[in-house]
Amino acid sequence: DVKVTQSSRYLVKRTGEKVFLECVQDMDHENMFWYRQDPGLGLRLIYFSYDVKMKEKGDIPEGYSVSREKKERFSLILESASTNQTSMYLCASSPGTFLNYGYTFGSGTRLTVV
Amino acid sequence: AQKITQTQPGMFVQEKEAVTLDCTYDTSDPSYGLFWYKQPSSGEMIFLIYQGSYDQQNATEGRYSLNFQKARKSANLVISASQLGDSAMYFCAMSGANFGNEKLTFGTGTRLTIIP
Repeated sequence: DVKVTQSSRYLVKRTGEKVFLECVQDMDHENMFWYRQDPGLGLRLIYFSYDVKMKEKGDIPEGYSVSREKKERFSLILESASTNQTSMYLCASSPGTFLNYGYTFGSGTRLTVV
Repeated sequence: AQKITQTQPGMFVQEKEAVTLDCTYDTSDPSYGLFWYKQPSSGEMIFLIYQGSYDQQNATEGRYSLNFQKARKSANLVISASQLGDSAMYFCAMSGANFGNEKLTFGTGTRLTIIP
């Protein structure tokens, strides 16, 4: 069964901490994505990557960075966590060719910044 | 830029009734894809159904069908004979022309509650 695995289901971090959210996929997918989900706002794209060591900004990249050193792993980094980054974070992947089911998602990481 | 609008924040439906979840979209791409995802309380996003902009027929997957009206730019999800397990958040999303490398743009979602 294809899988996207996010390392933590729940995280609590302090304001100002550097936070790493990890995502690993086992499907040899080219593309990986990080979204955040907030009530009333839906899913908003933070960053995405079409290849190893490549990254592109999404709609809300401020306060975040990413790393993709290996094809299967895409990390989201909160350089200095703030309370407005409390959210659900969803990682997703897709192959480099068209498939009519869009993305495969991880189970999400619910991050609370206190 | 692409935009997805879901105007129903929440819906309550009696079990076994049919449900229509609204979705309208806006795009300048001549070719695009439309998706519906279900998100139960557990949090995972489950793909339900896909419609290509050039598909002549409405997509169907079991109890799910997509009512695609291209001229009106709408892509409503219809769930027939609703079940208690259908209670979840539902998101409409779209991709652009280059499906393999295109971002998905999501709507704000509709929370569906099925009443026994």
